[in-house]
Amino acid sequence: DGGITQSPKYLFRKEGQNVTLSCEQNLNHDAMYWYRQDPGQGLRLIYYSQIVNDFQKGDIAEGYSVSREKKESFPLTVTSAQKNPTAFYLCASRPLGGNTEAFFGQGTRLTVV
Amino acid sequence: AQSVTQLGSHVSVSEGALVLLRCNYSSSVPPYLFWYVQYPNQGLQLLLKYTTGATLVKGINGFEAEFKKSETSFHLTKPSAHMSDAAEYFCAVRFSYGGSQGNLIFGKGTKLSVKP
Repeated sequence: DGGITQSPKYLFRKEGQNVTLSCEQNLNHDAMYWYRQDPGQGLRLIYYSQIVNDFQKGDIAEGYSVSREKKESFPLTVTSAQKNPTAFYLCASRPLGGNTEAFFGQGTRLTVV
Repeated sequence: AQSVTQLGSHVSVSEGALVLLRCNYSSSVPPYLFWYVQYPNQGLQLLLKYTTGATLVKGINGFEAEFKKSETSFHLTKPSAHMSDAAEYFCAVRFSYGGSQGNLIFGKGTKLSVKP
């Protein structure tokens, strides 16, 4: 079945460590997105990519980095520079053009311990 | 600035009662409009979307929404709530112009509780 896979589901990180969240899609979508979700704040855009080897900062990119070496994959690294990384992270993708909706993965819950 | 507002962070209804979740956007040009549902610790699932054409849009699980250009609104309704409708609901818009072209902008969400 086509879809978006995020891994791991739960992730624990010590302060000062970098950690990478995986996002893979087999929907052949051009655009991919990373969102951060905190209670009562909705979803905030971290980074997005519309084509391989190109990506753009969203509203809250500080302390995060991404890569888009393959169309199917858009990993997110949470660096030690991110001051408050504990959150629920959602990856999404959609085809470009038209009035298409975004499809979401099941999310990764990151906790800093 | 382009934005979307959901009125009420929490809504509580009785089972069988009408569900009404409100969403307004700020733009002189109608955007593409979406409603998503999220169950605890899961991703978002599309309920319905408005792009062009008929202003009353039907979605999954008995939900529907009406686009009202004059009110810049896209409220979500369901005639009779079920216990399984308890979840968080997000309104989202996508504008075809401006700095956020092509990106979804989300409201802050409304948590729906359904009382037996």
